[in-house]
Amino acid sequence: NAGVMQNPRHLVRRRGQEARLRCSPMKGHSHVYWYRQLPEEGLKFMVYLQKENIIDESGMPKERFSAEFPKEGPSILRIQQVVRGDSAAYFCASSQAFKGEQYFGPGTRLTVT
Amino acid sequence: AQTVTQSQPEMSVQEAETVTLSCTYDTSESDYYLFWYKQPPSRQMILVIRQEAYKQQNATENRFSVNFQKAAKSFSLKISDSQLGDAAMYFCAYRTNTGTASKLTFGTGTRLQVTL
Repeated sequence: NAGVMQNPRHLVRRRGQEARLRCSPMKGHSHVYWYRQLPEEGLKFMVYLQKENIIDESGMPKERFSAEFPKEGPSILRIQQVVRGDSAAYFCASSQAFKGEQYFGPGTRLTVT
Repeated sequence: AQTVTQSQPEMSVQEAETVTLSCTYDTSESDYYLFWYKQPPSRQMILVIRQEAYKQQNATENRFSVNFQKAAKSFSLKISDSQLGDAAMYFCAYRTNTGTASKLTFGTGTRLQVTL
């Protein structure tokens, strides 16, 4: 029973490029959460999605960031025109139900040069 | 908005000893969950223990137990018989059980060192 999968594990982008981070939830899970962890800090909530719907995006920066969770395929967190301040670890979690226990993936470490 | 505070950036414990990590939180709600997560150097977030606010009994998972003081809004983690593998960052987290919000709110973490 595979856990939450994220790829790539490490991503290097130059300033101004786009970053796409992928998250495949656990089998049977239809709820996905994205969190960002800046160096030496705790995780900060970004967005909560259920298949094809954004439920809560209260933690998403207003510009350059978007997320989707299509009917088929993984959830994607997209960062356009990356800046150095976007360098962080991005974690995805999934749950089976609304307010269910969240299981975390291993994270994607984004480095912007 | 709910906030979670971990006032101990670093803690150290000798192997086989007991250590307590502190966590306080601020909320006006009465129905919520509290969690402790462990993040080892691999960065994988691992759920250690959870507590439902309506349950008076403190949660226990093997060597890990909590001291939940709802009135004081305190949720400390006790690790007994510490092992080298317990060395990690530990994060306290809060999640409401009301309304449509389902996000976890994390504290800033406590780095636990385990010495021989």
